[in-house]
Amino acid sequence: GAVVSQHPSRVICKSGTSVKIECRSLDFQATTMFWYRQFPKQSLMLMATSNEGSKATYEQGVEKDKFLINHASLTLSTLTVTSAHPEDSSFYICSARILLDSAEQYFGPGTRLTVT
Amino acid sequence: KNQVEQSPQSLIILEGKNCTLQCNYTVSPFSNLRWYKQDTGRGPVSLTIMTFSENTKSNGRYTATLDADTKQSSLHITASQLSDSASYICVVINVPAYSGAGSYQLTFGKGTKLSVIP
Repeated sequence: GAVVSQHPSRVICKSGTSVKIECRSLDFQATTMFWYRQFPKQSLMLMATSNEGSKATYEQGVEKDKFLINHASLTLSTLTVTSAHPEDSSFYICSARILLDSAEQYFGPGTRLTVT
Repeated sequence: KNQVEQSPQSLIILEGKNCTLQCNYTVSPFSNLRWYKQDTGRGPVSLTIMTFSENTKSNGRYTATLDADTKQSSLHITASQLSDSASYICVVINVPAYSGAGSYQLTFGKGTKLSVIP
């Protein structure tokens, strides 16, 4: 149980375009979903935390107008990278939490974004 | 500042051999520590969860230890297999003071890249 999926797994886009990444909890309802970014040989860095039906909370240094997060239901969150630039190329990973008072997060398989 | 340092950065071992990965942290207040396995191009998968009172916990060929006094943890892998080749990430969870329910913070290490060769 506790499976999280992401779509697409890989995406290549041109500079200036927008890309949407989906994160779904397949067999549970997630109270909270998280979006991380991971550059090569680096730690996962938290970008934002989102709760269903409310605005996402962004970490310091993450542009909320560039990285749009929509958490429309308890099983789906989307991250849209707007006006993508080559420096946005990275590995984006989402995770989901079942219980509000639990630190347990279930991670998705990640999405490799390449901006050309 | 909360930090998690892992060593070595990378490690190459022969199939069948044992290895130990290290994790030092300066996270406070401490809630628990987790080891994750991350295959290349995949998301992390939980291996073990260590709470403050636990010293050792095993999960198959993986054994994690925790010394809360020295703020160190290790992950020991026995009889390594080719499929063990991955990055192993140490994550320390804390609950900031005066925070509400659900306000856990995760601090990730950079991981140790393990390569098991035939």
